Amino acid sequence: RKEVEQDPGPFNVPEGATVAFNCTYSNSASQSFFWYRQDCRKEPKLLMSVYSSGNEDGRFTAQLNRASQYISLLIRDSKLSDSATYLCVVTDNNDMRFGAGTRLTVKP
Amino acid sequence: NAGVTQTPKFRILKIGQSMTLQCTQDMNHNYMYWYRQDPGMGLKLIYYSVGAGITDKGEVPNGYNVSRSTTEDFPLRLELAAPSQTSVYFCAAVIGAPYNEQFFGPGTRLTVL
Repeated sequence: RKEVEQDPGPFNVPEGATVAFNCTYSNSASQSFFWYRQDCRKEPKLLMSVYSSGNEDGRFTAQLNRASQYISLLIRDSKLSDSATYLCVVTDNNDMRFGAGTRLTVKP
Repeated sequence: NAGVTQTPKFRILKIGQSMTLQCTQDMNHNYMYWYRQDPGMGLKLIYYSVGAGITDKGEVPNGYNVSRSTTEDFPLRLELAAPSQTSVYFCAAVIGAPYNEQFFGPGTRLTVL
């Protein structure tokens, strides 16, 4: 079993749609969780951290379920500019493990 | 404030050649990381450093070496390049602890033929 697993997609959605991604992790001792966004041929950039209580940043909502060992990202009212690959990141001490990413394409 | 810079941007190596990928950060961050990203895959940790003079292996260290003589620089060395090392290499820096945002460099695209 991979340490961090994501549905690779691609997710093709129309503008304005709501889309959700899940990410599961195998290490129950993992301490911190993040969603990064990576545009084609670019470096990853932090989208948001994921807190135990869940957190929201504009159209983006992240949730953590420690019991089931997964995190989720919900994007509401999708924009064309949301098209990218979304990487789930799980940290245990100094070791950060990345999922393979979920590709999202938002179409007009 | 340039953040994290990497050189070169692109490089083609022949099998058995060696090279050093440079990474420099001007944010005075303690933690630095080297990752590789193969096509369609996530990032895999090669080596990391929690401060000058301290380095540790990550998930895929074989075929690579690193050093951290200063806070700013964290070069990655490939001694005997192999086709399996064809990848995009990203360097990242984190302030203080590993639980905070990682700032990535723009990457080095390496092809080994």
